[in-house]
Amino acid sequence: IAGITQAPTSQILAAGRRMTLRCTQDMRHNAMYWYRQDLGLGLRLIHYSNTAGTTGKGEVPDGYSVSRANTDDFPLTLASAVPSQTSVYFCASSPARGNEQFFGPGTRLTVL
Amino acid sequence: GEDVEQSLFLSVREGDSSVINCTYTDSSSTYLYWYKQEPGAGLQLLTYIFSNMDMKQDQRLTVLLNKKDKHLSLRIADTQTGDSAIYFCAASGGGADGLTFGKGTHLIIQP
Repeated sequence: IAGITQAPTSQILAAGRRMTLRCTQDMRHNAMYWYRQDLGLGLRLIHYSNTAGTTGKGEVPDGYSVSRANTDDFPLTLASAVPSQTSVYFCASSPARGNEQFFGPGTRLTVL
Repeated sequence: GEDVEQSLFLSVREGDSSVINCTYTDSSSTYLYWYKQEPGAGLQLLTYIFSNMDMKQDQRLTVLLNKKDKHLSLRIADTQTGDSAIYFCAASGGGADGLTFGKGTHLIIQP
């Protein structure tokens, strides 16, 4: 693989279910990010990680959790999905904080 | 923290130049970026400019930076239908999360 991959591509989920969105990069980038994109609201940062083993909260972290056990993977978990979490989710990585970010293709999530 | 503003829509005729504008608030922003998002896809880095530069040109793209006014623009010469997309401005202002994105400008191409 080259770049950033996300899985699944799309998912329909019942409210209350737990869901993990996967993100993997093979560029050995230190920093990784999760955004959600909603019409009229642009990109909003959910969580980030500046290096393996550390994570931080972004603008809209409630209802989401992340982990960064290694450099390559940065999964995003919705512990109990709600309809307001219906969105397109993008994972991104960068060599370091403040550098250009490279984006994955996105996961379209619908919570019913 | 950093705030990045863009107009939401821009409509241009095919063959004309498009100018997409962006303002930011943090004067310490080191890098400023332009991303392009085509329908159903992720964001693709188009170009960037370092804060000590005034202009950067790359084929049909010209980036202008007015650091005094904290104003960034992206000019696309000879706009084509393939340029139809959402364009995001981003600034590497302060904060632990690295980049702050504008809400994106929808570029609409009229025949």
